[in-house]
Amino acid sequence: AQSVAQPEDQVNVAEGNPLTVKCTYSVSGNPYLFWYVQYPNRGLQFLLKYITGDNLVKGSYGFEAEFNKSQTSFHLKKPSALVSDSALYFCAVRDWGAGNNRKLIWGLGTSLAVNP
Amino acid sequence: DAEITQSPRHKITETGRQVTLACHQTWNHNNMFWYRQDLGHGLRLIHYSYGVQDTNKGEVSDGYSVSRSNTEDLPLTLESAASSQTSVYFCASSKGTGVDTQYFGPGTRLTVL
Repeated sequence: AQSVAQPEDQVNVAEGNPLTVKCTYSVSGNPYLFWYVQYPNRGLQFLLKYITGDNLVKGSYGFEAEFNKSQTSFHLKKPSALVSDSALYFCAVRDWGAGNNRKLIWGLGTSLAVNP
Repeated sequence: DAEITQSPRHKITETGRQVTLACHQTWNHNNMFWYRQDLGHGLRLIHYSYGVQDTNKGEVSDGYSVSRSNTEDLPLTLESAASSQTSVYFCASSKGTGVDTQYFGPGTRLTVL
């Protein structure tokens, strides 16, 4: 079965430190992967996606993600966290089920808290 | 600028009433999606549409319906609201037939008493 896992419900990091939010996946086809961020009382905002090419993908707000095929992972990273990065982060992967190729399979989300 | 809007942003209703949540996008996107977000469940797909007159059930479609009469709108109807349908509802859209990014509306918080 296709799935996305975000193994940490919550990540805490001090401001200025690097942050990592983890995502692993299992799909039957090519892994097309996405990261979204949700600030309180807001809709989800697209951060970045991996379709093909360079394993390091750069996105909005200084975030980047590293695609690792052998570990089936797509971890979100930022070199220096800001308090304003505190939000809920979602990983998603393309659904390869029949007739589903425009749908995404979503992780449950990881709450990131950046402490001043 | 193109955008996706939802209305109302907040709604309180009573059990058994019919409720319709509006979603309108001005990107001319083919695909539109309705999700609900609940603590511990992440995002769950309710219904989706790949074009005018096309609608499909998602993983939690019971008690909900949609219709797509034009490109811009995908209203979500709760036929007879139940307390279990208290949630935050998000509409999203994406462009075409490939792996396109989904863009989300601001959400509707629905409370069923």
